[in-house]
Amino acid sequence: AQSVTQLGSHVSVSEGALVLLRCNYSSSVPPYLFWYVQYPNQGLQLLLKYTTGATLVKGINGFEAEFKKSETSFHLTKPSAHMSDAAEYFCAVSDQAAGNKLTFGGGTRVLVKP
Amino acid sequence: DAGITQSPRHKVTETGTPVTLRCHQTENHRYMYWYRQDPGHGLRLIHYSYGVKDTDKGEVSDGYSVSRSKTEDFLLTLESATSSQTSVYFCAIRDRGNTGELFFGEGSRLTVL
Repeated sequence: AQSVTQLGSHVSVSEGALVLLRCNYSSSVPPYLFWYVQYPNQGLQLLLKYTTGATLVKGINGFEAEFKKSETSFHLTKPSAHMSDAAEYFCAVSDQAAGNKLTFGGGTRVLVKP
Repeated sequence: DAGITQSPRHKVTETGTPVTLRCHQTENHRYMYWYRQDPGHGLRLIHYSYGVKDTDKGEVSDGYSVSRSKTEDFLLTLESATSSQTSVYFCAIRDRGNTGELFFGEGSRLTVL
């Protein structure tokens, strides 16, 4: 079965600083990879996804992620944090061997300090 | 907007009572899912459906049942609620592509006392 590990359940960054959220997965076949964001009292919204092609994927709100097959990683970055980036972020992997069901990481809550 | 509506959005109930959560979609998607969200666990799949009357279990299905009698509605039932089922429940529909991308509802917060 797939597993997804997000390092750090909480991350605190200063406004303007780099945001780096780590995601590692286990998969026996090339997966589809996703990052979702959840703002307080809301559902999850797609930030970006990797399916095929270019391994550096750009998403909404200035976020990007790079698929590194050799490291089984899909880390999320944003060069300069805004206060509005305070939210919880989830990495997810689609298991092609199981009907493309998504498996989620435990989530990382981002706090942005002024 | 993926046209997903969950109801109720908030519910408080007592241990041992039955509870049904409803997910309604307007986009005629084939696949629908129920997840629960708990701190530190991310989202865990409870049950999913791949068509009318076609459902299957996820990783945390014990204590839950589902039904899908119409394409647009996917019901999650707790036959006898327990305190361990206090959680936020999310319904999702799958994108029509083959990547597994999901669109989520706003969530239903359930508290079992």
